[in-house]
Amino acid sequence: DADVTQTPRNRITKTGKRIMLECSQTKGHDRMYWYRQDPGLGLRLIYYSFDVKDINKGEISDGYSVSRQAQAKFSLSLESAIPNQTALYFCATSDGGDFHSGNTIYFGEGSWLTVV
Amino acid sequence: GDSVTQMEGPVTLSEEAFLTINCTYTATGYPSLFWYVQYPGEGLQLLLKATKADDKGSNKGFEATYRKETTSFHLEKGSVQVSDSAVYFCALKKAGRRALTFGSGTRLQVQP
Repeated sequence: DADVTQTPRNRITKTGKRIMLECSQTKGHDRMYWYRQDPGLGLRLIYYSFDVKDINKGEISDGYSVSRQAQAKFSLSLESAIPNQTALYFCATSDGGDFHSGNTIYFGEGSWLTVV
Repeated sequence: GDSVTQMEGPVTLSEEAFLTINCTYTATGYPSLFWYVQYPGEGLQLLLKATKADDKGSNKGFEATYRKETTSFHLEKGSVQVSDSAVYFCALKKAGRRALTFGSGTRLQVQP
């Protein structure tokens, strides 16, 4: 089984609809992230959470919200989807670690979201 | 702000050819540097990393050296295989910044 599991893997939704992407991890990590990948733009951070009570905006949080239901679960919601939110979304986790060791980030397989 | 610049792809090579994928960064201080690989239909996997100047990260025949003077972290492999076909992302992480900053990715296609 994958360490980081995302559901759904693919979803087509209509403009204005609410959509939730879910993420669960078995690594026991405190830190979880949501990234968005667009062609030619790499990955951009949407939200991150360092523990259940800690939620922080990333560089492109507008139009998104998140919920950290438990240490192992971190969901991303699009309250009212729009076409330019069509992208590949990645959940990721990491442990705290020592910065100088460069803590490793583990990614899920991605969720393709198409907004029509 | 921080940024990572990678060479545009796709990079197309024949099997056993030498690979270089350029990566340069802009950041103050001393970030840690990473290369991630994304195989078709999969998530990103850490390939290698370096946490201070002159460190060399290596894994699966790939290498990259942290060059502070040129702010670079170029990825190299002496002999690529078809199975190396993937998208490669360079990334940095600074102290005090809580997440990675990624480059735009470089697609590598290796032909038999």
